[in-house]
Amino acid sequence: QQQVKQSPQSLIVQKGGISIINCAYENTAFDYFPWYQQFPGKGPALLIAIRPDVSEKKEGRFTISFNKSAKQFSLHIMDSQPGDSATYFCAAPGRNTGGFKTIFGAGTRLFVKA
Amino acid sequence: EAGVAQSPRYKIIEKRQSVAFWCNPISGHATLYWYQQILGQGPKLLIQFQNNGVVDDSQLPKDRFSAERLKGVDSTLKIQPAKLEDSAVYLCASSFFSSGRKNTGELFFGEGSRLTVL
Repeated sequence: QQQVKQSPQSLIVQKGGISIINCAYENTAFDYFPWYQQFPGKGPALLIAIRPDVSEKKEGRFTISFNKSAKQFSLHIMDSQPGDSATYFCAAPGRNTGGFKTIFGAGTRLFVKA
Repeated sequence: EAGVAQSPRYKIIEKRQSVAFWCNPISGHATLYWYQQILGQGPKLLIQFQNNGVVDDSQLPKDRFSAERLKGVDSTLKIQPAKLEDSAVYLCASSFFSSGRKNTGELFFGEGSRLTVL
C-alpha cells in the first residue's frame, strides 16, 4: 500500500512565527506534490503545489521545499497568523490501473496563538 | 464557477440501515473521487471514476459500499448495511483530468457529507 507520511501530527505556533510541516513519500515516479488546507466543516482546498523539477516554490507566506533525493517535501508558513489555524495535508500521486490517484497524509493540525 | 455540490450535509442512521450520498462535480471535470475521512485522519480514497468508468475501487468495501456515476456526471455513493465504523465524512472531489501518464493536478472538494452511525 503506497503511503505518504506526514509530521508532526499537531503544531502550536505563536503569531508571527514559522510553521513547518514535513512529508515523506515512497514512489519516485510521482510528479506533483500538493498541500491542502482544511478548515472545520469544509472540504480540503489546494494551498500550494510543486513539481519535482524545482526545489522550492513560494506563494506569499507559503513555501514548499522539495528534496527529491530524500523523497521529502515540506511546507513552511512564514509570519503565521491565527487565520492559518487549520489542518494541513500533504498529498502525492499513487498509481492505479487507470493512471494516478491522490494519496493523502494523515494531516497536521496547526493552531496559531494570537 | 459552481463548486462541487454534495448532499446531504449531515445524516444520522442506526447501524444496519442504509444511506446514500449524492455528488455533482464541477462542470467539465472528467474525474470524480469519493474519499472517506474519519475524524482526525486524512482522506482515504474509496473510488475513482474517469467519466462513467471505474478506474480504482481497491479500497471500497464492496460487501456494503457501492457507487455509480451515471452519464459521467453526477455520482451516488451508497452504504448498505451501515456499521458503526462507517461514521465519517464522505468527501466528493473532481478534477479536470487525470491521465495515465501524468498527474495533472488539483482536486476540487465538496464540503462533505457527515455520517453518524448509532
